[in-house]
Amino acid sequence: GENVEQHPSTLSVQEGDSAVIKCTYSDSASNYFPWYKQELGKGPQLIIDIRSNVGEKKDQRIAVTLNKTAKHFSLHITETQPEDSAVYFCAAKVPLGRGQNFVFGPGTRLSVLP
Amino acid sequence: EAGVAQSPRYKIIEKRQSVAFWCNPISGHATLYWYQQILGQGPKLLIQFQNNGVVDDSQLPKDRFSAERLKGVDSTLKIQPAKLEDSAVYLCASSLFNSQGASGNTIYFGEGSWLTVV
Repeated sequence: GENVEQHPSTLSVQEGDSAVIKCTYSDSASNYFPWYKQELGKGPQLIIDIRSNVGEKKDQRIAVTLNKTAKHFSLHITETQPEDSAVYFCAAKVPLGRGQNFVFGPGTRLSVLP
Repeated sequence: EAGVAQSPRYKIIEKRQSVAFWCNPISGHATLYWYQQILGQGPKLLIQFQNNGVVDDSQLPKDRFSAERLKGVDSTLKIQPAKLEDSAVYLCASSLFNSQGASGNTIYFGEGSWLTVV
């Protein structure tokens, strides 16, 4: 089945700097890649996503890139703010009939230092 | 629009006891998921329903875990008997069907039910 790896596990940046989190996946049939932000005591919230037919997507300070050949995708956060501090999860969606629907990475704890 | 509702938010039980979690998905969402999230890890799928039918329960420990969605709306997840390693957050999520008749891409999570087994 699908396996999603995520790096780094922890990341500390100064306020205003950029943060990059990288994920790799194993199943070439995966066709949709969302990123979730989870704050303490809350459920994961979708922040951005990308489909397999798109190479890059941007939403204000957040962007995601996808390299289907290499099977990796990355989250980029620019001009980081203290409220960006949270745990971020990447995920890969395997089409129905191929086992798990969404497989999540282990998470990255981002700390933005003021 | 109301989000995914879960209860209880917190539960502490002794090992070998039983516990049940309830989930009400977003109105109109045909697909419902239960995930287990152990501290420091990503969510892991336990079971996926489409309406009242099970799509995938391959990672559900069926000797102790059970789940149902009898009327295709709300769902319950039960653990009996609980083990220490069941301590985790149990996340419910839901999604729409897309135009191709498959589960929608975007899944929405509830706040989770935090279980501690002592």
